[in-house]
Amino acid sequence: LAKTTQPISMDSYEGQEVNITCSHNNIATNDYITWYQQFPSQGPRFIIQGYKTKVTNEVASLFIPADRKSSTLSLPRVSLSDTAVYYCLVGDGVTDKLIFGTGTRLQVFP
Amino acid sequence: GAVVSQHPSRVICKSGTSVKIECRSLDFQATTMFWYRQFPKQSLMLMATSNEGSKATYEQGVEKDKFLINHASLTLSTLTVTSAHPEDSSFYICSAIGGRAEGNEQFFGPGTRLTVL
Repeated sequence: LAKTTQPISMDSYEGQEVNITCSHNNIATNDYITWYQQFPSQGPRFIIQGYKTKVTNEVASLFIPADRKSSTLSLPRVSLSDTAVYYCLVGDGVTDKLIFGTGTRLQVFP
Repeated sequence: GAVVSQHPSRVICKSGTSVKIECRSLDFQATTMFWYRQFPKQSLMLMATSNEGSKATYEQGVEKDKFLINHASLTLSTLTVTSAHPEDSSFYICSAIGGRAEGNEQFFGPGTRLTVL
């Protein structure tokens, strides 16, 4: 089972833009890519979802290249409250199962 | 928006006892519910998928006789950890698909922290 990989951790300062990439080489053809935010001892919270190209909502943007083998979550002007773990969730084209990425721990400093 | 609740939020039990965790979709009918387990500083690992009225599908390595799943209605799924042992201590999270969800968007519960002494 191919892993869906993310950088283990990232550091940023308040007000900066943060880009977190997820690598998913075996993504299923018809599945969406979804990103979640998780705080300690809480369930994941939906951030954004997309299929291809670029999607933007009030909190983030999601960039997906044409081959869909990766995706990048972009958080504009992060604040201290954005300190959390961020996960991508994609469908695996081999097993047809939804697989969480390894997670990226984002630490925002003042 | 779609809300999923879990009960209890945390439970501490003695080794050998059974623990039941409830997962409810509060404002939508969940055609499918998922159960995940998350160990400290690790990602969520899918344990099983359940559809209302049918048997759950367990992931490889998850004992179906130890983790009993019942999805009796479109708004309720339960996970029972039978004869719990300290190695079963973990954060258990359910999610649900249904309602106005687009794509494969899952709505997650707040999680249940199980500690087995």
